[in-house]
Amino acid sequence: AQTVTQSQPEMSVQEAETVTLSCTYDTSESDYYLFWYKQPPSRQMILVIRQEAYKQQNATENRFSVNFQKAAKSFSLKISDSQLGDAAMYFCAYRTPAGGATNKLIFGTGTLLAVQP
Amino acid sequence: DAGITQSPRYKITETGRQVTLMCHQTWSHSYMFWYRQDLGHGLRLIYYSAAADITDKGEVPDGYVVSRSKTENFPLTLESATRSQTSVYFCASGPLTGRTDTQYFGPGTRLTVL
Repeated sequence: AQTVTQSQPEMSVQEAETVTLSCTYDTSESDYYLFWYKQPPSRQMILVIRQEAYKQQNATENRFSVNFQKAAKSFSLKISDSQLGDAAMYFCAYRTPAGGATNKLIFGTGTLLAVQP
Repeated sequence: DAGITQSPRYKITETGRQVTLMCHQTWSHSYMFWYRQDLGHGLRLIYYSAAADITDKGEVPDGYVVSRSKTENFPLTLESATRSQTSVYFCASGPLTGRTDTQYFGPGTRLTVL
């Protein structure tokens, strides 16, 4: 069974600084997707960034980028120029490609990020 | 309004009562999901549906029932609520196929069972 592990329950960063959130996963599949979701105090789940396992290039979305290490099964999220609005719970998630019996997401336990002014 | 909605947003009930959480999406997505969020566990899948009249269990289905008579609706029923079902419940939907699939989440329902 696939698992996702986030070993940092809480992180803190100064405004305008850079922070990296860690995520590791375990799977025997070769084709899959990885995601980072942000959950602010409003509870809304917001997709931050997505990585397809067959792509070697790391995904980037504005100030958010990932370091995808397929062999190490590692998928970290880097937030550059941190802003107060980045304060939230961040979840790493895994999914196998659609077409199977399910395209459910498997989530890590989350990292609570605090941004200090 | 387009999107995915959940109702109610907050619910307090008592042990043993039946509770139904509603989920509605306007995208005609084939897949719909119910997750529960608990501290220390992240989000865990309760049930999912690949299409109308097709549902299947997820990781933590005990004590829950789902139905999907229409593509856009996916209600979750707690047949006899227990305190352990106090949680935040998220509904999500997504298209059937495509390598760029993304799941879209509703705003969540906070359920308290006394």
